[in-house]
Amino acid sequence: QSVLTQPPSVSAAPGQKVTISCSGSSSNIGNNYVSWYQQLPGTAPKLLIYDNNKRPSGIPDRFSGSKSGTSATLGITGLQTGDEADYYCGTWDSSLNAGEFGGGTKLTVL
Amino acid sequence: EVQLVESGGGLVQPGGSLRLTCAAYGFTFSSYSMNWVRQAPGKGLEWVSYISSTGGTIYYAASVKGRFTISRDNAKNSLYLQMNSLRDEDTAVYYCARDFLRFSTDYWGQGTLVTVSS
Repeated sequence: QSVLTQPPSVSAAPGQKVTISCSGSSSNIGNNYVSWYQQLPGTAPKLLIYDNNKRPSGIPDRFSGSKSGTSATLGITGLQTGDEADYYCGTWDSSLNAGEFGGGTKLTVL
Repeated sequence: EVQLVESGGGLVQPGGSLRLTCAAYGFTFSSYSMNWVRQAPGKGLEWVSYISSTGGTIYYAASVKGRFTISRDNAKNSLYLQMNSLRDEDTAVYYCARDFLRFSTDYWGQGTLVTVSS
């Protein structure tokens, strides 16, 4: 059972927009930065967003992140079939002194 | 080019031990904190352990505390995870990941599979 709660799955049509939520608490999301990762089948996770809303070099601006209170959101616009993957949020928990990941959300591009 | 290469995984019986190694290439290893993250078959990511750049600060997930030990050798550009008293539920692909900024991990290895089974 993950400390961070994500929907198990989301879906949308190519070209559309989708959002993935990540809900936590004051000890994790509420007082720490959030990252988002994309994991394509059979590969290691890839950093998409750090510090709540910053994109590493090479990540297209179709990917965006936001945070409000104890929740964070990943947005993906202009969906492509290649975006089909599992997406994870991650942050530090200051009370547990532990890293935390959400349970993951499977994105299907219909 | 930044590269992280894990090794040391394999099949081990419950109660046994294993030592994982992560070799780092293409960056100043001694400047970065590092993490171990695992993923059980068909499951999500689970953070395992963190070590600061100097090794002076270490944290563990509750599920492995007292059984696993993280360490590093900056002279050898290597990260280690000593795993003792292994359980069935420790079966997973183990990744090492560079801590870029505030627990954002920007580079990951390809992972090494640890299977705990009799």
